[in-house]
Amino acid sequence: AQRVTQPEKLLSVFKGAPVELKCNYSYSGSPELFWYVQYSRQRLQLLLRHISRESIKGFTADLNKGETSFHLKKPFAQEEDSAMYYCALSRLSGYSTLTFGKGTMLLVSP
Amino acid sequence: NAGVMQNPRHLVRRRGQEARLRCSPMKGHSHVYWYRQLPEEGLKFMVYLQKENIIDESGMPKERFSAEFPKEGPSILRIQQVVRGDSAAYFCASSPGTDSGNTIYFGEGSWLTVV
Repeated sequence: AQRVTQPEKLLSVFKGAPVELKCNYSYSGSPELFWYVQYSRQRLQLLLRHISRESIKGFTADLNKGETSFHLKKPFAQEEDSAMYYCALSRLSGYSTLTFGKGTMLLVSP
Repeated sequence: NAGVMQNPRHLVRRRGQEARLRCSPMKGHSHVYWYRQLPEEGLKFMVYLQKENIIDESGMPKERFSAEFPKEGPSILRIQQVVRGDSAAYFCASSPGTDSGNTIYFGEGSWLTVV
């Protein structure tokens, strides 16, 4: 069974501090991993996906197959980064729905 | 492109009533997905539809829930005889196809409250 685990419900940091949102997954096969962000009661937006290897809004995430992790990182947090962050996975090719973690609320204080 | 449009954004129903949630996919998208987010939980897949077809309903509760995506008009998620446990945010998403290269785009959600 596929599963995404985000161990932290809440992560509170000060502006300018580094941020790491943890995501671990279990999947028998080749997954595609995503990070979605949801600002207060707005739609979920795709932040990044591992296959594109992009850096969006200063966030990066590297897929570590050995540790089955896809942690989201940003070296210097900004107040506008405060939001819910969801890690998700799907199968790498062909039809597959998304399996989401429970999310981590990131609060960046001034 | 207006994005995925969901309505109503907020819906209050008494126990036993019916709830209908609508989703208009992005222009050019023929694939629609419904997800449910219970309080303190992540999003859980419910159903995947293409025009006039249900492709995967493995996440749908066996009773009271149904979904359709007619040839014309929005996709509708219908919940009959609602109970308090149905209170949740229901998110619709759409994509142009099923290839993993196609990102799915979410709507802003419909918040159902059962009183």
